[in-house]
Amino acid sequence: NAGVTQTPKFRILKIGQSMTLQCAQDMNHNYMYWYRQDPGMGLKLIYYSVGAGITDKGEVPNGYNVSRSTTEDFPLRLELAAPSQTSVYFCASSTGQGLSEAFFGQGTRLTVV
Amino acid sequence: GNSVTQMEGPVTLSEEAFLTINCTYTATGYPSLFWYVQYPGEGLQLLLKATKADDKGSNKGFEATYRKETTSFHLEKGSVQVSDSAVYFCALRFTGNQFYFGTGTSLTVIP
Repeated sequence: NAGVTQTPKFRILKIGQSMTLQCAQDMNHNYMYWYRQDPGMGLKLIYYSVGAGITDKGEVPNGYNVSRSTTEDFPLRLELAAPSQTSVYFCASSTGQGLSEAFFGQGTRLTVV
Repeated sequence: GNSVTQMEGPVTLSEEAFLTINCTYTATGYPSLFWYVQYPGEGLQLLLKATKADDKGSNKGFEATYRKETTSFHLEKGSVQVSDSAVYFCALRFTGNQFYFGTGTSLTVIP
């Protein structure tokens, strides 16, 4: 059971570089989410999607972009990396039903130097 | 709006001690409630959940009861082990909506 798969696991970026964090799920979930977790802090929602072709901003969307062309994939794009984007990024997915939990990937640890 | 408030950590307990981590929520209506656990270097895993008032979720010796009257979902375990050392997150969700997470409570259990 793959569940939610994130790549890469670790990445170091230089200021101004861009990259895409990949996220794929094989559970046919409509809902997908991107969170960031700063050291000692909770989760902050960056973007989420309720289905292919539909995305919405979360709490901290600035500096990021997403797309959802298929049900399975939900990549997160950083266009101009800044030190403030140093964080651990988690992708998650769920069904649309309220009693359904979110399933999380293992995370991507990003450092911007 | 919707929000979750957790007791601040870190919490340090001796092995076999009783654990309580408080969680209260603010929401319009009756959400589903969840506890997640995050072990070092890993993603969040569902620990337990409850979907309506007075429901009790339980797993691995942990329990939490959905209390509508006090808008609470406190996590408890009768006897903690070193392997329970982790960060615990309380969360709520309405149908077809996003999840709202608390800030997390770090637990360290010492032998």
